[in-house]
Amino acid sequence: EIVLTQSPATLSLSPGERATLSCRASQSVSSYLAWYQQKPGQAPRLLIYDASNRATGIPARFSGSGSGTDFTLTISSLEPEDFAVYYCQQRSNLYTFGQGTKLEIK
Amino acid sequence: QVQLVESGGGLVKPGGSLRLSCAASGFTFSDYYMSWIRQAPGKGLEWVSYISSSGSTIYYADSVKGRFTISRDNAKNSLYLQMNSLRAEDTAVYYCARGLEYFQHWGQGTLVTVSS
Repeated sequence: EIVLTQSPATLSLSPGERATLSCRASQSVSSYLAWYQQKPGQAPRLLIYDASNRATGIPARFSGSGSGTDFTLTISSLEPEDFAVYYCQQRSNLYTFGQGTKLEIK
Repeated sequence: QVQLVESGGGLVKPGGSLRLSCAASGFTFSDYYMSWIRQAPGKGLEWVSYISSSGSTIYYADSVKGRFTISRDNAKNSLYLQMNSLRAEDTAVYYCARGLEYFQHWGQGTLVTVSS
């Protein structure tokens, strides 16, 4: 099983700041990685797929990078609605999710 | 638009059974792979099972293998999850989701609570 480790567990930032979230895989997943956003009481929303492609309707302030075992989700300038929990997911070998990073308002 | 609506959740005793359903609309259901994904209270996401568009290919997470059965009825635009021998650790919100590689569309989830 491929294990995804996200860091940090919690990130405290202010609106307008830049957010950088990390996801590390226990073995290479090539570029087969996605990022999701989840708000309380809601289903996850797909943001980024294949490491760097924005899903339909996702604002340009969200970007993804990386390949192999190290991946990054960057939010260039935080909006109030961006404070949520973010998960990475690999599809190289079935599917696994990271444990999540909570992005909270400082 | 794409809509996925889960039902069938509830309270069940350890060792009991439950059958979840997911009603799909707004797309050609028979063209898409479907998955069940769960989330324990306050925890992260765990993929449970997927089924191919025809139903011929099925995979399960090790944590549910031998206890859960995924199926679909393309004529009824419906996805199912039969859950047997339920354990406390199966307590979670269960989502159905569309997609083979990534999950673009999700239902709102149905809560399954396993407790005596």
